[in-house]
Formats: sequence, C-alpha cells, structure tokens
Amino acid sequence: NAGVTQTPKFQVLKTGQSMTLQCAQDMNHEYMSWYRQDPGMGLRLIHYSVGAGITDQGEVPNGYNVSRSTTEDFPLRLLSAAPSQTSVYFCASSWGTGSTGELFFGEGSRLTVL
Amino acid sequence: ILNVEQSPQSLHVQEGDSTNFTCSFPSSNFYALHWYRWETAKSPEALFVMTLNGDEKKKGRISATLNTKEGYSYLYIKGSQPEDSATYLCAHQKSNQFYFGTGTSLTVIP
Repeated sequence: NAGVTQTPKFQVLKTGQSMTLQCAQDMNHEYMSWYRQDPGMGLRLIHYSVGAGITDQGEVPNGYNVSRSTTEDFPLRLLSAAPSQTSVYFCASSWGTGSTGELFFGEGSRLTVL
Repeated sequence: ILNVEQSPQSLHVQEGDSTNFTCSFPSSNFYALHWYRWETAKSPEALFVMTLNGDEKKKGRISATLNTKEGYSYLYIKGSQPEDSATYLCAHQKSNQFYFGTGTSLTVIP
C-alpha cells in the first residue's frame, strides 16, 4: 500500500500562475482533506470531501478549489497564486465520514509563490 | 473556528525522564480528540483517537487521558528516549472538520 501520495513535493510559482497539487490514496477512504502548515500556526483545514462528488469548505478556503471525481483522488487547485499561499500543504484521508477514524497524511508539498 | 491550545510549546528533557503535555479545547459539542506524532521531514502519524470522557489510551510508553467536561487532554511519555523526539500535535474533531493545535516540540537529550 502506498497510503496517501502527494505530488509535487516542491514547487515554485510566480504570482498569478495556476497549478494543481495532486493527492491520491489507495485505502478506499471516503474522507479526504487538504491542510496548510504555516510557521507558528497549527495545521489549518482548507477543503474536505466526504465522498466522490461531495466537497466542502474548511477554515481557510479562499483562493483554492477542489473536486472529487473519484474516491481515490482529491486535487487542490490554485487558480491565481499569491505570495500568501506560500506554505506547506498536506493531504490527509480517513476511512469514514462523520467517524472518528485517524487521519493518514501524505508527505507534504512545499509551495513557494514569488 | 475552534481554539485548540497546546502547552508547553517546546520541551527539552533528559533521557529516562518522564514528561507530559497538555491540549485544551472547547468543551461544548465535543466529538473526538486526536493525538499525532510528527517527526522532522516526515508526515504526522496517529497516536490516539479518544471520544469518551475519562478515556485513557496507552501505546507502549506513551499514554493519554481525556476530560471532555473541562476540555483538556494530557499526553504522557514515561522514560523518554531520544527516538521520542518529535512534535506532538493534538486535534479537536468536530464532525468532519479537524482543528489542530500548534504542537509541543519534544527534544530528548541522550
């Protein structure tokens, strides 16, 4: 099992460029989510999904789009990158919606916006 | 937005010492409390998920307790070892949303 796979691991963008962070899991988890990690702050939830075709906003959704066309994949899109989106991004999944299952994290994607 | 606070922010202990950290969270509408261990250059890994007031969980030398009425959880490490050095995160789960604290960074000195 690969678990939760994120790509790319590193990316540098210019302000205004767009990109997609990929997240895939092979554990048949219903729940998937995206977080950003900034210095001095806890992981903050950007968007989450409780199943294919269902997404919802988290704590800091502005500037990000998501979709969930399959159970396995949950890409995070930045349509027009801003320096404030420089961060480390983590994808995490869990086996149940509304359950108390533990989160399984990807290895993170470090994004720098110049 | 739920305010999850962890203390202390960082901790240095000698090998063999026992230590504990605190996670505080809003006690209303409690759903679950998670603890994760995060080593440098790796991703967070789950230690415990607790749901009931009075829950106590143990994994080897690490244990955790939960008080949902007053809104806190303790993580204990008995006989700290250098390999316990990591950041320990707690997260308050409210339905499908997770609210993380900033973590306690533990360094165990050989």
